[in-house]
Amino acid sequence: DAMVIQNPRYQVTQFGKPVTLSCSQTLNHNVMYWYQQKSSQAPKLLFHYYDKDFNNEADTPDNFQSRRPNTSFCFLDIRSPGLGDAAMYLCATSRDYGGEKLFFGSGTQLSVL
Amino acid sequence: AQKITQTQPGMFVQEKEAVTLDCTYDTSDPSYGLFWYKQPSSGEMIFLIYQGSYDQQNATEGRYSLNFQKARKSANLVISASQLGDSAMYFCAMREFHNAGNMLTFGGGTRLMVKP
Repeated sequence: DAMVIQNPRYQVTQFGKPVTLSCSQTLNHNVMYWYQQKSSQAPKLLFHYYDKDFNNEADTPDNFQSRRPNTSFCFLDIRSPGLGDAAMYLCATSRDYGGEKLFFGSGTQLSVL
Repeated sequence: AQKITQTQPGMFVQEKEAVTLDCTYDTSDPSYGLFWYKQPSSGEMIFLIYQGSYDQQNATEGRYSLNFQKARKSANLVISASQLGDSAMYFCAMREFHNAGNMLTFGGGTRLMVKP
């Protein structure tokens, strides 16, 4: 059974049209992460939540925002998608920091037309 | 500077043979963890194996083992008896427990292709 669920699996949006990607977890983990992965590249961390505490990576564009209304759900909002934002977006969770492994969802492949 | 380096962009291995995927890392933090993840074409990142910097023995998980050489700062993944289903991207990753905000940083990945 999937423990980290991302919807939708594929998302198509238009240039400049806001889009929201969603992630839910059944693990009751404290930490939720959003990674961006462009084709044939390593995943790049955008931001993460420890419980309700939001932590933004220094080089994450202002265009990207996130919400975590409760433990189970986390959303990635892209306010004005550009062509360069087309990528796979991976949500992950971990129980804590340190040596805790990350559990990943299947990802949402975002296309920008 | 690259924290995690995977020097093999792509590799072929014959089915049923063993294969080693290279990973070197750079850190000044004495406390860190090293992870390997598999990413099939479906996109999901699947955890394979973990090695802590203070672990005395090399980690093993079924057909996966991690050849941890601390002095050389290398953490190579060994897959024994390769199967066709092992064809995927493999990412080495590191988490520094005191530096870098304790976040997981990935290497560039190695694409493994298993030949029948």
